[in-house]
Amino acid sequence: NAGVTQTPKFRILKIGQSMTLQCAQDMNHNYMYWYRQDPGMGLKLIYYSVGAGITDKGEVPNGYNVSRSTTEDFPLRLELAAPSQTSVYFCASSYSRTSGGETQYFGPGTRLLVL
Amino acid sequence: AQKITQTQPGMFVQEKEAVTLDCTYDTSDQSYGLFWYKQPSSGEMIFLIYQGSYDEQNATEGRYSLNFQKARKSANLVISASQLGDSAMYFCAMRGTLNAGGTSYGKLTFGQGTILTVHP
Repeated sequence: NAGVTQTPKFRILKIGQSMTLQCAQDMNHNYMYWYRQDPGMGLKLIYYSVGAGITDKGEVPNGYNVSRSTTEDFPLRLELAAPSQTSVYFCASSYSRTSGGETQYFGPGTRLLVL
Repeated sequence: AQKITQTQPGMFVQEKEAVTLDCTYDTSDQSYGLFWYKQPSSGEMIFLIYQGSYDEQNATEGRYSLNFQKARKSANLVISASQLGDSAMYFCAMRGTLNAGGTSYGKLTFGQGTILTVHP
């Protein structure tokens, strides 16, 4: 299993540009998450999904959108990039949300720089 | 609201010695999960160990053990026989249950992290 994969690894955007961060998992996990990590900080939840076709907002959703058309893929869309979105973005997945299958496994991250 | 506190910004340990990384948490949930993740300088997040709030035994995974003291709301990570490769940032995280309109999800709340440096 490849686990959780993310592309690209690094990207530089100009203010106002758009991009999609790709995330895929091959573990047949129902739950998928997007986090951002600002320098020297812990992770904060942007969006999450409990299954194909079902998504909802986390702590810091403004400026982002997601979709979940398949179990495997959970792309994150930035529509109008702003410098405040400079961060490292992590995608994660878990089998369930409760004890026994809730461990979240993370992708390698995408470093995004908005200038 | 849930909160994770890691009070040690940095810790130093000699190779082969044991080290404890502190984590305290605050939640009103009855059922929750506690996690430790390792983030080396390469940036990936590596799952280390999990403790459920109803687990009676402290979790262990190889050289990692979790000292879970429920009444004190603490979940300290103990690394035995430290190795140079243990040098990294360590995050404590908690999964609570948030009900919003009948929907709950396993959001993770992270602490600020502790940088561990292992000296030869």
